[in-house]
Amino acid sequence: EVQLVESGGGLVKPGGSLRLSCAASGFTFSSYNMNWVRQTPGKGLEWVSSISSRSIYIYYADSVKGRFTVSRDNAKSSLFLQMNSLRAEDTAVYYCARDLWQPESYWGQGTLVTVSS
Amino acid sequence: QSVLTQPPSASGTPGQRVTISCSGSSSNIGSNTVNWFQQLPGTAPKLLIYTYNQRPSGVPDRFSGSKSGTSASLAISGLQSEDEADYYCAAWDDSLNGVVFGGGTKLTVL
Repeated sequence: EVQLVESGGGLVKPGGSLRLSCAASGFTFSSYNMNWVRQTPGKGLEWVSSISSRSIYIYYADSVKGRFTVSRDNAKSSLFLQMNSLRAEDTAVYYCARDLWQPESYWGQGTLVTVSS
Repeated sequence: QSVLTQPPSASGTPGQRVTISCSGSSSNIGSNTVNWFQQLPGTAPKLLIYTYNQRPSGVPDRFSGSKSGTSASLAISGLQSEDEADYYCAAWDDSLNGVVFGGGTKLTVL
């Protein structure tokens, strides 16, 4: 069974940092592009970052460029999002998603990040 | 303000056919594939339609997608109460070099 389990969310002050993790199981993690997508409570979806299967191609939304860093460890079937210089507008549920474009697309249940003083 | 434009809400009665539109531009829908995601209340989004009109296994054929120029549409026929959810379109944008989502459409089954 495919599973994506996010962790690392929580309450952080503006300007602070958090590192999100996504543990993958039930499939060959190293074969898939991975993504982070966030959703502000009660609002729509916003793409954050994508990383190709071997970390060759990495993309970021303009809203997080220079502050967030995506990485992966294929040996440990894990995806990460290092978030620095956090702002109130970064408050959202962060989803880890396998390949947004193919029928094998799959999303985790998300982890809540709250940026507040 | 989302790059892809969807109506904020749509509704229909059981058995009806409902269509949700997604309007973009030449840099996204006009030149790249469009996917649709369904988000049931309190759950994570799930892929509903990929490459304009393909359904992943397990998605009923009541759901269909289409594209014309810089717009795409999701059609749901034989509407059922369990179709009540938020629906999002998505595409890669060549100008932004990233993924763009529509603002989402909340479907209510009356």
